[in-house]
Amino acid sequence: ETGVTQSPTHLIKTRGQQVTLRCSSQSGHNTVSWYQQALGQGPQFIFQYYREEENGRGNFPPRFSGLQFPNYSSELNVNALELDDSALYLCASSLGGTIWNEQFFGPGTRLTVL
Amino acid sequence: DAKTTQPNSMESNEEEPVHLPCNHSTISGTDYIHWYRQLPSQGPEYVIHGLTSNVNNRMASLAIAEDRKSSTLILHRATLRDAAVYYCILRTNYGGSQGNLIFGKGTKLSVKP
Repeated sequence: ETGVTQSPTHLIKTRGQQVTLRCSSQSGHNTVSWYQQALGQGPQFIFQYYREEENGRGNFPPRFSGLQFPNYSSELNVNALELDDSALYLCASSLGGTIWNEQFFGPGTRLTVL
Repeated sequence: DAKTTQPNSMESNEEEPVHLPCNHSTISGTDYIHWYRQLPSQGPEYVIHGLTSNVNNRMASLAIAEDRKSSTLILHRATLRDAAVYYCILRTNYGGSQGNLIFGKGTKLSVKP
């Protein structure tokens, strides 16, 4: 069974640029959630995709957008990067969007915005 | 949002039990109590969850107060590998999404050899 993988591992961008982060969910999982983790803080929920549809969103502006593909992998896109977007971006997959299912996290993508 | 309160940090000695407290006085009747931990340089990992009754699994035990306003994660014998940030999370319907986790700052557990 393959776990959750994310790419790239690290990324450096400059302010105003756009970035795409990728996530492959664990085999059999149909739900992907994205989180942003600033240094020293707990992860903050960005949004969740369930069967290719956005299924909830946290307090993030529209320049944070996402996609989920038929194979349940997912992308996080961030436009017009700001310095405060520097963080660890985590994706988590689960089977269904229920409140008792375990979420399996990937190792994250470290984004640095200069 | 359902919120939890945890101590910022705790210390333990290796091979001793550890009790990590969590207060959640605003918990509602349908909120599940979840614990995740995050080891250094890794994504969070699930530890345990419960609703009303105490729960045990291979990693830990979860003791839930009768009024559900607090809970305690119990590591029966701490190892060096258990050094991590532990997050107590109330999982609830939020903004139409039933699956997201609302993390606080968690408790940083240090384990001394």
